[in-house]
Amino acid sequence: AQSVSQHNHHVILSEAASLELGCNYSYGGTVNLFWYVQYPGQHLQLLLKYFSGDPLVKGIKGFEAEFIKSKFSFNLRKPSVQWSDTAEYFCAVNQDYGGSQGNLIFGKGTKLSVKP
Amino acid sequence: DGGITQSPKYLFRKEGQNVTLSCEQNLNHDAMYWYRQDPGQGLRLIYYSQIVNDFQKGDIAEGYSVSREKKESFPLTVTSAQKNPTAFYLCASSTRTALVVGYTFGSGTRLTVV
Repeated sequence: AQSVSQHNHHVILSEAASLELGCNYSYGGTVNLFWYVQYPGQHLQLLLKYFSGDPLVKGIKGFEAEFIKSKFSFNLRKPSVQWSDTAEYFCAVNQDYGGSQGNLIFGKGTKLSVKP
Repeated sequence: DGGITQSPKYLFRKEGQNVTLSCEQNLNHDAMYWYRQDPGQGLRLIYYSQIVNDFQKGDIAEGYSVSREKKESFPLTVTSAQKNPTAFYLCASSTRTALVVGYTFGSGTRLTVV
């Protein structure tokens, strides 16, 4: 079955620490990749996305992600986290059929807690 | 401003009752989706609709029903057959072209069965 795996359920970091959240998917073929963030009490927001081209994608708020096709991975990174980055992060994938796309499949999410 | 409106924000239901969650979008998106979010489970797809008057079951459709009579609206009914309905429900929409930029999400409805 097609799936998206996020390795960590809960990550706790101090401010200024570096962040890397893992995401692996099990689809073959062409995929589109997304990271969404859900701040406490807020709705899901798109952090960044990858469709094609440069596998290193930069998103909002200093986040970036690297698509490594050979590893079926799309890990999220940030060099220095802030307390305001405390949120839940979701990796999501859909299959690209050229003229259309499959439904978005989400990982189970990683909660990030940043200590001030 | 364009976006997705879900109502109500909080909903309480007695066991055995059906309840309908509203989702309206003014983004002119063709596709709409309902997800259920539970702690540690991520988002799981309940139903989706790519076009008016058509919809398909997602991964966990049992105990739920939907309709898509208008492009802007995609209400979800949680029926009494849903064994564990207490959850956070998210509605989303997207375009259907290959240049889709991901989904736009509503702010969610938290349903509690009492």
